[in-house]
Amino acid sequence: DSGVTQTPKHLITATGQRVTLRCSPRSGDLSVYWYQQSLDQGLQFLIQYYNGEERAKGNILERFSAQQFPDLHSELNLSSLELGDSALYFCASSAGDYRTDTQYFGPGTRLTVL
Amino acid sequence: AQSVAQPEDQVNVAEGNPLTVKCTYSVSGNPYLFWYVQYPNRGLQFLLKYITGDNLVKGSYGFEAEFNKSQTSFHLKKPSALVSDSALYFCAVRGNAGNMLTFGGGTRLMVKP
Repeated sequence: DSGVTQTPKHLITATGQRVTLRCSPRSGDLSVYWYQQSLDQGLQFLIQYYNGEERAKGNILERFSAQQFPDLHSELNLSSLELGDSALYFCASSAGDYRTDTQYFGPGTRLTVL
Repeated sequence: AQSVAQPEDQVNVAEGNPLTVKCTYSVSGNPYLFWYVQYPNRGLQFLLKYITGDNLVKGSYGFEAEFNKSQTSFHLKKPSALVSDSALYFCAVRGNAGNMLTFGGGTRLMVKP
């Protein structure tokens, strides 16, 4: 168990809908990262927050947004969902914002868009 | 841009034999290299990382990895494979482009009894 928690485990929804994925980092970790894992794209970095502020952006669609709250938990919001958004979404956390930091991953949220 | 290549989609090895899972990388600046393992329906578990220093890095569950700067490689190794090592293995790199990890496509390791 990495100490990173994600809810829900599974999410099934319809095209055009909006969902929110939640992540709680390991105790004491200030950075949260979101990744998407799909069969065709592999594991791709979406966005990073450090202590409440956006720190880096990757291949995140404009329909997607995220935030990190004062208690350091993070939410990833996905809107106007398309079939291609079906994937496993991982949250990871690390102690700080250094390149030497290890990222610890949560169990993921499996999103199915029908 | 930084990238990682895992040239083998699958590696098959008999239990008790040594295993190697290959990884090569391309990055600007000093590379920070990581190996993760993913079991079915589970998240990624951290195995080991190379930051600096000794080119042979030891990690969890008896795994180790060898950093080779001239060949830009970071191969994962284990002297004696277990059936329970069967899983999907990911190599990842972090360079000057930021703190995000760039992952390879993954290698499925199958250890047969």
